[in-house]
Amino acid sequence: SQQGEEDPQALSIQEGENATMNCSYKTSINNLQWYRQNSGRGLVHLILIRSNEREKHSGRLRVTLDTSKKSSSLLITASRAADTASYFCATDATNAGKSTFGDGTTLTVKP
Amino acid sequence: GAVVSQHPSRVICKSGTSVKIECRSLDFQATTMFWYRQFPKQSLMLMATSNEGSKATYEQGVEKDKFLINHASLTLSTLTVTSAHPEDSSFYICSAQHPDTQYFGPGTRLTVL
Repeated sequence: SQQGEEDPQALSIQEGENATMNCSYKTSINNLQWYRQNSGRGLVHLILIRSNEREKHSGRLRVTLDTSKKSSSLLITASRAADTASYFCATDATNAGKSTFGDGTTLTVKP
Repeated sequence: GAVVSQHPSRVICKSGTSVKIECRSLDFQATTMFWYRQFPKQSLMLMATSNEGSKATYEQGVEKDKFLINHASLTLSTLTVTSAHPEDSSFYICSAQHPDTQYFGPGTRLTVL
C-alpha cells in the first residue's frame, strides 16, 4: 500500500488564494519531499524537508513537517493559474533506500 | 540543478515487440536510479531500483523477465519492456538519486497496439 496519503484529492481555488495540501505517512522517515507534476509530464522537485526540520520555505511555498503526527503540509501562497498541477509527497523511509509516493492532490487554480 | 533525461518521450509499438527506454543523468553520477509506472490520474508506482553494476531490485508483483533493467554506467539505466502487450501501455518515469533527492526524467509514454 502507498506510504503517503494526500488530502484533499482535488482542490479548486481562485487565483490569488492560498492552497494547502496535506500528506500523512505511516513509518519513520529520513526526509519528505514534495513534487509537482503537470499533466502528462515528469515530476518537478519542489522542496525536501528532513526529519529533524519543522518548516521550510521556498518562494511562495511553505512546507511543514510534524513527525509526531506523521504528517506534512504544503502551502502555496498567492496562487497563480500556472500552479495548476498535481502535487505529490514522497517519503524516504528509514532504512528503505527508496521513496514512496502518495496519491497526490490535483490543484486547479482558476484565473 | 540536476537534470535527468529520458528517451524516447513517446513510443508506439505493436503487440509482441520489445521496447527500450533510456534514462540518463546529464550532469551528475547516479549509483541508484528508480523506474516508476504511472496510470492516468494515479500516483507513481515503483517498479524497481536500478543499481549500477549489480542486479536491479524489483518490487513485489513486477515481472523481472518482462521488465529488464540494465544500469551499465553511472549515468545510464535502461528499461526494456519485452514482448509488450496493450496492458503494458502506460507512462514510465525514471529518477536518479543525487545525493538524497530524486530527480525525475520527463517520462516516456508507451502505447502498445
